Amino acid sequence: NSKVIQTPRYLVKGQGQKAKMRCIPEKGHPVVFWYQQNKNNEFKFLINFQNQEVLQQIDMTEKRFSAECPSNSPCSLEIQSSEAGDSALYLCASSLRGDEQYFGPGTRLTVL
Amino acid sequence: GDSVTQTEGLVTLTKGLPVMLNCTYQTTYSPFLFWYVQHLNEAPKLLLKSSTDNKRTEHQGFYATLHKSSSSFHLQKSSVQLSDSALYFCALSPGGYKVVFGSGTRLLVSP
Repeated sequence: NSKVIQTPRYLVKGQGQKAKMRCIPEKGHPVVFWYQQNKNNEFKFLINFQNQEVLQQIDMTEKRFSAECPSNSPCSLEIQSSEAGDSALYLCASSLRGDEQYFGPGTRLTVL
Repeated sequence: GDSVTQTEGLVTLTKGLPVMLNCTYQTTYSPFLFWYVQHLNEAPKLLLKSSTDNKRTEHQGFYATLHKSSSSFHLQKSSVQLSDSALYFCALSPGGYKVVFGSGTRLLVSP
């Protein structure tokens, strides 16, 4: 069973508010991925890290989204100014080599 | 670019029947292929993985064979159970810390 921890499980924000979620990857996994799973259950890749370094990210994350994976602290994904379209399940996954992934339970964000 | 295609959005079956969920992919690399299962309100979990051509891989009654000649990695089970009702995602890792997911297939098993 996956040991990836995500908090909080549920997050409710108003439009324009900040939304921050955290992820503790499985021990020994240096690679962390963030995905947005929409209401159609489609996975949208947001960003990934190897240790503290960003490997890849999509354009969307460069504007309102920010993420980090500091040493000895949980990884985090923050939306600076939430929009209704950001309502989704945000999944964190960790990986040993960047291929096989182990997912956390997700943070379900609702933007009112 | 790299892509994964799952042609069925929804598959409905009566328990005890066999199932095959389709997955085809495109990549110029030699990839790892994965199947993940996501039950309602749960995290996606790894079900199967393979990078070996023409070798069947099995887990929890599900099986799949990677066929590089046809770029396919279809998921099969000989007899579905009610507990198999879930979302199934096929995924491709061509390397370079990149993973591409298909759009998912919802399997609904009825009594």
